[in-house]
Order: sequence, then C-alpha cells, then structure tokens
Amino acid sequence: KAGVTQTPRYLIKTRGQQVTLSCSPISGHRSVSWYQQTPGQGLQFLFEYFSETQRNKGNFPGRFSGRQFSNSRSEMNVSTLELGDSALYLCASCDGNTEAFFGQGTRLTVV
Amino acid sequence: SQQGEEDPQALSIQEGENATMNCSYKTSINNLQWYRQNSGRGLVHLILIRSNEREKHSGRLRVTLDTSKKSSSLLITASRAADTASYFCATMRAGGTSYGKLTFGQGTILTVHP
Repeated sequence: KAGVTQTPRYLIKTRGQQVTLSCSPISGHRSVSWYQQTPGQGLQFLFEYFSETQRNKGNFPGRFSGRQFSNSRSEMNVSTLELGDSALYLCASCDGNTEAFFGQGTRLTVV
Repeated sequence: SQQGEEDPQALSIQEGENATMNCSYKTSINNLQWYRQNSGRGLVHLILIRSNEREKHSGRLRVTLDTSKKSSSLLITASRAADTASYFCATMRAGGTSYGKLTFGQGTILTVHP
C-alpha cells in the first residue's frame, strides 16, 4: 500500500500570495487531517475532513481553508500569506480512531 | 496549544543504552500515539496504545500508559545511532467531537552516539 503523499515538497512564496497544498491519503482511508509545525509553536492541528466534510477545526484564522474530494484527496489553501505562515505542513490519513499516518510534509517558506 | 509535556526535552546517550521518554497530558483520551521525526521530515508512526491498555511492545519499543496519572512513557532498548531523532507523543481526546485531532507534546530530541 502506498503511503500518504504530499505535494509539493518545497514551496517559496511571497507575502500576500496564496498557496495550495495537496495530500493523497492511504487508499481506503477517508479521514485526512492537516497540521502546521513551527519551531515556536510545535505541531498544531489545522482541520480534519471525512467524506468531503470538515468535521473538526483548529484555532487558525480564516485564511487557512481546506477541502476534500470524493476520492479522499485533500487540499489546503492559505490566502494572503504572512511571514509567520512559514512552516512544515503535514497531512495525516486515518481509518477511524486508529493510527494516523503522516506524509513527508510540504515545507513552505514565505519571503 | 499543546496538551502535553514531554520530558526530557533532550536526551543524549551511547549506543546500546536504553532511552526513556515521558509524556504527560491533560484530558481524558481515546488513545495515545508515539511518533519519530528525523530532521524536519514527516512523522513516522511508532506505536498506538489505547486508553484501556497499560503496556504495549513493538520490537525494541515498550510503551506504558497510566491514565490515572495522565502519563505515558516510551522506552527504546539497545539504542542505535539510527534512533537519533525527535520523538513526539500525541493524544486523541475521548469524546465524539475530536475527529482526527491529535494533540502533540513538544517532543524529546534523542541523540545516540556511536
């Protein structure tokens, strides 16, 4: 079984731009979650999608949004990028309340 | 905000020694998971322990869970240089509104010297 795939691996954007990150979960997993990792705040939960519906949301501004498609692939979008959005963005897929498996992440740098 | 605290923040040992990391959390949980991360890459899942379990083993890993103290420990036996990484505990809160949400500790940086 293929693992969780995140694209792109690295991204450099300018302040004010927007960015879209993609995550393909493990085949058969319907839950996809997103996390932001920074040196200062550690790993923080952004949101979770299940069967194309957002079931849970973390404490992030509305500039952070996501969606899930019928094949369970998910995208997250960050609009009006700020320098503080520079981080490693991680996606996890899960089959119920079991192990969550993570992708390699997308390293976003905002300049 | 982080739910848990991990202790120690950093651990430096020699190859062959055992490494023990501790994790505390604040709320009732459904399960607790341990992850390894190498140099800012993705998280590798190590082991999951459910709230009704007290101990689990996987290869050189031993995890314990004490729900009365809201704490867990990860023991890596006979450590190797390749075990050098950051280790995180993550909890999934009990209850029906915590879908997919893992709350992470700050992590322990383990360095194993050859």
